Amino acid sequence: NAGVMQNPRHLVRRRGQEARLRCSPMKGHSHVYWYRQLPEEGLKFMVYLQKENIIDESGMPKERFSAEFPKEGPSILRIQQVVRGDSAAYFCASSPLTDPSYNEQFFGPGTRLTVL
Amino acid sequence: QKEVEQDPGPLSVPEGAIVSLNCTYSNSAFQYFMWYRQYSRKGPELLMYTYSSGNKEDGRFTAQVDKSSKYISLFIRDSQPSDSATYLCAMSASDYKLSFGAGTTVTVRA
Repeated sequence: NAGVMQNPRHLVRRRGQEARLRCSPMKGHSHVYWYRQLPEEGLKFMVYLQKENIIDESGMPKERFSAEFPKEGPSILRIQQVVRGDSAAYFCASSPLTDPSYNEQFFGPGTRLTVL
Repeated sequence: QKEVEQDPGPLSVPEGAIVSLNCTYSNSAFQYFMWYRQYSRKGPELLMYTYSSGNKEDGRFTAQVDKSSKYISLFIRDSQPSDSATYLCAMSASDYKLSFGAGTTVTVRA
């Protein structure tokens, strides 16, 4: 069973361009979470999605950032008009279900975005 | 004040030593506590999970949670060079939104 897959692993963009980060969850997982890791800081929650639904986007910047998890295909984190401060590692995690008890989130290898 | 505080280290120990890691937190609603291991340029991998207060042991790893002090610890016994990594504490009040510490970088010298 393949783990969480993210691509690209490295992405370089110039200021003002768009960045699209893709995440394919583990087989059988229908819940996806995106986190951002800035240098010298811990991972910060951005958004939680289920198929075709955004459940919690409280950690997403209000402008330029959007996320989707369509019925078919990977989850996409989209950053429009990137700025240097967007340079970070973006991690995707997936889990099989959510209920009142904790369920493990499996993390992908991350996409490292560099904005020139 | 950060919600989760973790000393970034770095921490260097000889092979076979006990590695002691800890985090403090401010949100009394946290009830799920985790330790992740992250190798360079890789994603975090769950090592230990504890619900509420108490101790949990798994092989060479022991996790402790003291909710009254808002303090969690991870101990690694008989450390090996392969344990060299960054260790992240994480915690949650709900079942999905994890709050992470900044991570402690550990090097185990052969």
